[in-house]
Amino acid sequence: GQQVMQIPQYQHVQEGEDFTTYCNSSTTLSNIQWYKQRPGGHPVFLIQLVKSGEVKKQKRLTFQFGEAKKNSSLHITATQTTDVGTYFCAGNNNAGNMLTFGGGTRLMVKP
Amino acid sequence: NAGVMQNPRHLVRRRGQEARLRCSPMKGHSHVYWYRQLPEEGLKFMVYLQKENIIDESGMPKERFSAEFPKEGPSILRIQQVVRGDSAAYFCASSLTPGHRRETQYFGPGTRLLVL
Repeated sequence: GQQVMQIPQYQHVQEGEDFTTYCNSSTTLSNIQWYKQRPGGHPVFLIQLVKSGEVKKQKRLTFQFGEAKKNSSLHITATQTTDVGTYFCAGNNNAGNMLTFGGGTRLMVKP
Repeated sequence: NAGVMQNPRHLVRRRGQEARLRCSPMKGHSHVYWYRQLPEEGLKFMVYLQKENIIDESGMPKERFSAEFPKEGPSILRIQQVVRGDSAAYFCASSLTPGHRRETQYFGPGTRLLVL
């Protein structure tokens, strides 16, 4: 079945440093979604990417979808303590399967 | 508050008891998804339901787990004869149209189940 992997599993950064999490799928995806989950909270939708090579920005967050539509990345510039949480990617391969979530990258920011 | 609602937020059960988790989707949403999240892990899909129909239950354990989404009322995830390994956060999500086809899924606050 479809597998979605994320690296790294954990990341500690100093406030102000950049952060990147990578998402790789075992199959070609029709779209990829990114979610953020704060400690003790629930996943909150951030963005969806659909097109090959697509890049979208939300303030300090930059999302990319690979040319082959099998990988994606989320980059945060100049992290802040409010960025703390776990970032999940979730993909769908348009074969009628449900969203498959990656294992998440837990970001910790030291003030 | 028109968001996805789940209750209870926390549930404690002893081994062998039953757990019933409820989910009310966002207003107007007819597609409901249940996910399980073990501590420090990602979300695992369990089941996808529309009103009165189970569309995909490929992620649901074969025994002790069942789900329904009746014509009236919330979706229910039922776990019979709970075991310690069932301790997890159970999240419900809803979408306006099929959530796997590019439609955003909106998550509820989750039910944290602890089995003693």
